[in-house]
Formats: sequence, C-alpha cells, structure tokens
Amino acid sequence: TAGITQAPTSQILAAGRSMTLRCTQDMRHNAMYWYRQDLGLGLRLIHYSNTAGTTGKGEVPDGYSVSRANTDDFPLTLASAVPSQTSVYFCASSDPGTGDHSEQFFGPGTRLTVL
Amino acid sequence: GQNIDQPTEMTATEGAIVQINCTYQTSGFNGLFWYQQHAGEAPTFLSYNVLDGLEEKGRFSSFLSRSKGYSYLLLKELQMKDSASYLCAVRDSNYQLIWGAGTKLIIKP
Repeated sequence: TAGITQAPTSQILAAGRSMTLRCTQDMRHNAMYWYRQDLGLGLRLIHYSNTAGTTGKGEVPDGYSVSRANTDDFPLTLASAVPSQTSVYFCASSDPGTGDHSEQFFGPGTRLTVL
Repeated sequence: GQNIDQPTEMTATEGAIVQINCTYQTSGFNGLFWYQQHAGEAPTFLSYNVLDGLEEKGRFSSFLSRSKGYSYLLLKELQMKDSASYLCAVRDSNYQLIWGAGTKLIIKP
C-alpha cells in the first residue's frame, strides 16, 4: 500500500497566488492532519479532520483552508500566499479506533517557497 | 501555555549509548510519542508511553515520569543510520499532538 501521498513534492509560488497542496491516504484512517515544519520549531498543526465531513482549526490556521469531502483526501489551500508561508508541509493520518496508541503516519511532505 | 523542551543537538559515538531528554508542560496528558526524522524525510513513529516506566523495543527504549513531566529516549548500540532528528510529542487534553523542536543526533565513527 502507498500509505499517504502528497503532491507536489516541491513548489515555488509567487506571493499573492493561490495553491492547493494535495494529500491522499489509502489506510482508511478517520483522522487527518496538516502540519508545517520550520527550522528550529516543532511541527505546528494547521488544520485537522477527525472524520470525513468535519474539520477543525489547529495552532496556526490563518491563511489556510481545508476540506474533507471523503475519507481519503484532505487538501490544504493557500488562498493568497505570503512569504511567511514558506515551509515544509506534512500531511498525516491516524485511526483513533485502533485504541489508545493510534500513532500518526506522515506523508513525504511538500516543500513550498513563497517569493 | 504548552511547551515541550528537548536539546537542540547531541553527538555520540558509533556503538555507544545516548539518552535524549524531553520535558513537557501541556494542557492535559494523553500519552507521549517519540518519532525519528531523517533529513529531508517524514517523521516515523518510534515509541509511545502513557504510563510511568520504561518501554523497551529492541535497541530503543523510552521512559516516562508523568509527575515530573519528563521522558527520555535511550538508544543503545548506536549505528550510523541512527543519525537523525528525534521528535518528542505529547497528546494533550484535546487529543492533539504538541511537538518539541526535535533533537538532532550526530553519530561519529
């Protein structure tokens, strides 16, 4: 199985442009997450979804939006990119139904540069 | 506020043992995770602790003291491939993970 895939692998984007980062998982996990990872900082949660049809805001949601139309896909959209959104973006999923453990599985990441 | 502290960088010798510490202050506690992240790659799960004590998994062990807000990851018989960043994360009262900045471990021959 592929696990979690993300696209694109990397992107250079002009400030003010919009972009959607794609994330697809084939593990039938209920919960999905979007994080950004910046040098010297821990992973920071942008948005999450506990199940298809629901989404929630994380620690740093401003400037980002998500949707969860089905179990497998969880796209992240930047409506009008700014240079401070330059980062590595990771999508992750977990299945809380598997018990207390339920670790998160991560996609390979998207490296985004906003100029 | 919520805070996870771990050393920025550590150096160890191949074949030796290294202990990476993590202290935390979070809104609630529902388990502590350790992840490994090689440069340019995604984090991968290593261990999970929810009760006090030591969890052993091969060359890796993780310890938790909830009263002290403290955990460590112990790596034995270090190999060059263990050169990576090690991330400590706590699941808070909202069942979200709060992440430390990670400890970059450098292994020297």
